[in-house]
Amino acid sequence: KQEVTQIPAALSVPEGENLVLNCSFTDSAIYNLQWFRQDPGKGLTSLLLIQSSQREQTSGRLNASLDKSSGRSTLYIAASQPGDSATYLCAVAGANNLFFGTGTRLTVIP
Amino acid sequence: GAGVSQSPRYKVAKRGQDVALRCDPISGHVSLFWYQQALGQGPEFLTYFQNEAQLDKSGLPSDRFFAERPEGSVSTLKIQRTQQEDSAVYLCASSLAAGATIYEQYFGPGTRLTVT
Repeated sequence: KQEVTQIPAALSVPEGENLVLNCSFTDSAIYNLQWFRQDPGKGLTSLLLIQSSQREQTSGRLNASLDKSSGRSTLYIAASQPGDSATYLCAVAGANNLFFGTGTRLTVIP
Repeated sequence: GAGVSQSPRYKVAKRGQDVALRCDPISGHVSLFWYQQALGQGPEFLTYFQNEAQLDKSGLPSDRFFAERPEGSVSTLKIQRTQQEDSAVYLCASSLAAGATIYEQYFGPGTRLTVT
């Protein structure tokens, strides 16, 4: 069964810092990888989707990379803002479902 | 609608009661997924529908869990004889195409179920 791990579990940074969140997965036979953010008491918001044939995707201050062979992905957030505070979840796609990590809880301090 | 909606948002059930959770996916989305998220954990897959067909129910934890999507749009997740370990947030997601391989999944706000 696919296992997805996210490190660190929690991260606190001052506003303006650049940061990297890590995701690793055990089975490289994935279709795609998605990064989500989850705010307390709310559902998941999709941030970026990387297809298995791609190496990275960018959206605004966010950049996600995928190294399928080594089973790793990173989410880079540039110039962090207090509004970025949330839990970030990584998920890898099988044929019919997503396998999620347990998330990284990010706090950006003003 | 503009996004995926779920109702109720919160449900408290006494142990042994049956509950029904509703999901309204984005109009026209072929795929519908249910996930269970325990406190402090990532969501875990329960079941997948392609239109009205339930193609994967491998994640349903027991035969007390039942899901349907009779007309290929709205879906209901039913839990019979609820147990305390069923307490979790139940998330519904929909996607434009079949399966999880191509398009992103859009999630609803979830239903928080508390079994007392």
